[in-house]
Amino acid sequence: DVKVTQSSRYLVKRTGEKVFLECVQDMDHENMFWYRQDPGLGLRLIYFSYDVKMKEKGDIPEGYSVSREKKERFSLILESASTNQTSMYLCASSFAQPQHFGDGTRLSIL
Amino acid sequence: SQQGEEDPQALSIQEGENATMNCSYKTSINNLQWYRQNSGRGLVHLILIRSNEREKHSGRLRVTLDTSKKSSSLLITASRAADTASYFCATVRNTGTASKLTFGTGTRLQVTL
Repeated sequence: DVKVTQSSRYLVKRTGEKVFLECVQDMDHENMFWYRQDPGLGLRLIYFSYDVKMKEKGDIPEGYSVSREKKERFSLILESASTNQTSMYLCASSFAQPQHFGDGTRLSIL
Repeated sequence: SQQGEEDPQALSIQEGENATMNCSYKTSINNLQWYRQNSGRGLVHLILIRSNEREKHSGRLRVTLDTSKKSSSLLITASRAADTASYFCATVRNTGTASKLTFGTGTRLQVTL
């Protein structure tokens, strides 16, 4: 079975902090994705990566950046956390279809 | 804006009954997928239906797709309490670099004993 592991289930940070969310997959998938999930809005794509060091913006990239130095690891970075970035963050990986998701990180920015 | 819109937003049924969830979308698609999310967990893929397919079955799941109406439905037969979860449809758009999913807002299903 594909395993996608997100480093933290819950995280509390303060406004202005630089925040790193980590995601690791064990299936040698080329594609990795970061989403945020908010009530009433569903999942929205922040960034995705289709290869090491390759990335593309999703639908809501503002305030975020990503890093993919190794194939198995995809990091989401909040450069200067703000309260409106409080959300559930979900990582996913895929070869083609379907996508395989981690259990999410519930991030609170105080 | 969301590509997929699920209907209803919430559904409460008794164990043994069938549950039907609908999804509408706006643009042409390569395929449409349904995912399930248990409370506080990630999404799990249930079924994929391609744009040239009209119906697909997997166990107690039946998915239909009507591309002329830009709609899909997910039917769960003989529901169980363990089916309690949120269900999302997702449409696929191929961008040339990776296939990206656009999710709807989901249907919360509650199955009571």
